Amino acid sequence: DVKVTQSSRYLVKRTGEKVFLECVQDMDHENMFWYRQDPGLGLRLIYFSYDVKMKEKGDIPEGYSVSREKKERFSLILESASTNQTSMYLCASSPYLSRTGGNRNYGYTFGSGTRLTVV
Amino acid sequence: LAKTTQPISMDSYEGQEVNITCSHNNIATNDYITWYQQFPSQGPRFIIQGYKTKVTNEVASLFIPADRKSSTLSLPRVSLSDTAVYYCLVVGGYQKVTFGTGTKLQVIP
Repeated sequence: DVKVTQSSRYLVKRTGEKVFLECVQDMDHENMFWYRQDPGLGLRLIYFSYDVKMKEKGDIPEGYSVSREKKERFSLILESASTNQTSMYLCASSPYLSRTGGNRNYGYTFGSGTRLTVV
Repeated sequence: LAKTTQPISMDSYEGQEVNITCSHNNIATNDYITWYQQFPSQGPRFIIQGYKTKVTNEVASLFIPADRKSSTLSLPRVSLSDTAVYYCLVVGGYQKVTFGTGTKLQVIP
C-alpha cells in the first residue's frame, strides 16, 4: 500500500560528493515536493514541481537542484554535499487543486523519509 | 501564500478531547485546509481536510468558521498514542505552500 517511495531510508555520504535522492509516487499526482526537517525548524520546502520538467524554488533551494523527467518521479540532487545538509529529507506529492474543487483528497502524501548524514 | 499560525505545544490528559486551532488569515477562495500528524522519524500523515463548516472522519473532526480565517482540529478522547506533532496546511492550486513548525501534543497518563 506504499504510495510515495523514497529510494533510501538512511544514507551516509562524504563532503563534496554528488548525492541523488529519488522519490516515486504511484497516485498520478501533479504536484511533488522536497522538504528537509531539522529539530526545532519544522519542515522547510526546498523545491517543488507541479508538472513534468517544471520546478519552482522553495524557501531553501541553495545547494540543491531537482529533476522531474517523468510525472511519477522527482529527484533531489545535492551538487556538492556539505555537513550542513545533514538532515531528514521528505518527499511528498499531492493532486492539483482545480478551481471546481470537488470531493477529491487534496492532502499531501509523504514518503518515509531519508536520513542523510554528510561526513 | 497562505501562512499558518498554530500554538507551539499543548498538553492533555488521556481521555480528554483536544482542540488545536490554526489561523490562516489570508486564505484564498479556492484553498482547502488540511491537517497532518507526525511521529518521530516518520513522514507526516494526512488526517483530514475541509473547505468550510464541519468535517468528521474516523480519526478527527475539523471545524471551519464562515470566514475561513481559522480552523480547529478536534481529537476526541486522546490516548498516549496520539502524542505527536500536528500540522495545519492550506493548499491550493500551484501556489507554494509552507509548513509551519506545528503543534507538539503531549498526552499525559
